[in-house]
This record gives sequence, C-alpha cells and structure tokens, in this order.
Amino acid sequence: SQKIEQNSEALNIQEGKTATLTCNYTNYSPAYLQWYRQDPGRGPVFFLLIRENEKEKRKERLKVTFDTTLKQSLFHITASQPADSATYLCALEPGTASKLTFGTGTRLQVTL
Amino acid sequence: DGGITQSPKYLFRKEGQNVTLSCEQNLNHDAMYWYRQDPGQGLRLIYYSQIVNDFQKGDIAEGYSVSREKKESFPLTVTSAQKNPTAFYLCASNGVDRGKEEQYFGPGTRLTVT
Repeated sequence: SQKIEQNSEALNIQEGKTATLTCNYTNYSPAYLQWYRQDPGRGPVFFLLIRENEKEKRKERLKVTFDTTLKQSLFHITASQPADSATYLCALEPGTASKLTFGTGTRLQVTL
Repeated sequence: DGGITQSPKYLFRKEGQNVTLSCEQNLNHDAMYWYRQDPGQGLRLIYYSQIVNDFQKGDIAEGYSVSREKKESFPLTVTSAQKNPTAFYLCASNGVDRGKEEQYFGPGTRLTVT
C-alpha cells in the first residue's frame, strides 16, 4: 500500500544546531515533493517544492534533498532558532491530477 | 490582499444537523481542495475541484458534499451521514500550471459536533 512516513515523535534541539526532518514514502513515484510549515491552530504554509530531477534545493537556512532511489526527502534547518518551532509536513504529488498526499508531520521544538 | 478565507473559525452543531463550511479565494486559482485534519493523522483529502462546475472525491468523501458554482467559492457541507464530523477543516487552492503547484491554505474551521 502507499504510505508517507514522517517521524511522529517531536524533535527537540538546541538553538543554533541543525535540525533534520525525514520524509519516507513507499509505492509512489512522485513528480515532486513539497514541504509545509504548520503552527498550532493554523493552516499550513508552503515552504519549498523539489522536483524528481532535482537532488537538492536551498533557501536561506534551509536545505532539502530528494532521493528517488531511497524514496526519501530530508529537510535540514541550519542555525535553528526558537521561531523555527512548528510542525513540518511533507506532501507529494502521487502522479495523478495534481492533488497532494500529506504525511502526518513532525513537530520541531527549538529551545534556548 | 489576496488569500483564502474560511468562516467561521469555530462552529458548534448538534448531532444530526447538516452544516456548511465556507471557503472563498481571490487568488484567481483554478483548483480548490478540502482537507480534514485530526490529531496524529495529518491532512486527509475530502474533495477537490480543478474547474468550475466539476469536482472529484478525495480519500474520505463519504458523508460530505461540495459545490463549485463560482471560481472563487468552494463550500463544504458536512452531512448527518458523516460518522465522526468533529475535526479541523482546511480549505486550499492552487494554480494548475507547472510552477504554481504550491497550495495556499485558509486559516481553518474547527467543527465540534455533540
């Protein structure tokens, strides 16, 4: 069956360290994968899209990798700040009709 | 300012009543979506529409209905047939062209049915 897995346990890190979040998927061949940030009680906000022919993308303190052989995307935030604390969702386009399938999200907590 | 609005933010209903959640966007997006979010389950797709007067069922459409009479509007009705309607409902939209795949979300409606 098709599955998207994100670590359901919260990730707690100290300010200034690098946070790495993982998104694994099975039985999909997505054309692209997206990452969203969600704060409590609010709608998700788009962060970044990476296509199947791109291995890595960077945006300020953020680096996202996409390995279609391992069926995995990694989301790295360097020099993390307490303001980075949120739930991060990965979503992939399953190859049909431009709709997205979302993972369950990983909560990141950055402490001083 | 362009964006998506959902109303109301909180909604309370008695069991057995139908309820309609509003979603409006002024982003000129062709596609619109409804998701349901429950704790620990992420976002699950209820219905989506890529063009006016057309919509498709998502993964959990049973007990819900939608309409898309205008490009800007995509209301969701939660019917009494929905067994567990209490949840956080999110509306989203995007363009259908390459380069416009990111979805813009509304602030959500938290529905409580007792």
